[in-house]
Amino acid sequence: DAKTTQPNSMESNEEEPVHLPCNHSTISGTDYIHWYRQLPSQGPEYVIHGLTSNVNNRMASLAIAEDRKSSTLILHRATLRDAAVYYCIRRPSGSRLTFGEGTQLTVNP
Amino acid sequence: EPEVTQTPSHQVTQMGQEVILRCVPISNHLYFYWYRQILGQKVEFLVSFYNNEISEKSEIFDDQFSVERPDGSNFTLKIRSTKLEDSAMYFCASRQRDGNEKLFFGSGTQLSVL
Repeated sequence: DAKTTQPNSMESNEEEPVHLPCNHSTISGTDYIHWYRQLPSQGPEYVIHGLTSNVNNRMASLAIAEDRKSSTLILHRATLRDAAVYYCIRRPSGSRLTFGEGTQLTVNP
Repeated sequence: EPEVTQTPSHQVTQMGQEVILRCVPISNHLYFYWYRQILGQKVEFLVSFYNNEISEKSEIFDDQFSVERPDGSNFTLKIRSTKLEDSAMYFCASRQRDGNEKLFFGSGTQLSVL
């Protein structure tokens, strides 16, 4: 099973940056790193994904270590609406998403 | 942005009854999925579906479960004889193409088996 390790929980203050870490030390060369989040009482929502290079989109940035054994999801300015469980997922190309426990992010006003 | 739609949002049934959960994936998507999440637990993969057949299924997806795409728009999950442990939130998801396209999830159907 494709395994990643994330902290169980993190806290942030509103309008501050948040760095959510993920370890995937056994990642293979063709596995993509995906991030999804799940707001309370909703389905998972795609955030970002990447292979080797850092990636940016309107929601977040993804910084991938040079050896690809870890990555960091960056929310540049947290809002209360960003409070959610964030899942870091290793995904071999085209395969199913396998969710772990994720990181519960709390955003304080 | 287009959405995956699931109905009903809540379904209550008696143990042993059949239930059908319905999903309308995004219209030009080709790959379809069902996941479930028991209260307080992880999101678990059930089944993937492409080109009118199951492409992958998990150990959870036993003979009591079936999926169907009865027309060009709906994607259904049937549980033939529900058990108490089938109580969960069921999520439908779809994606457009092969490879690493993102999945779009619906808001789920909360199934309660009494």
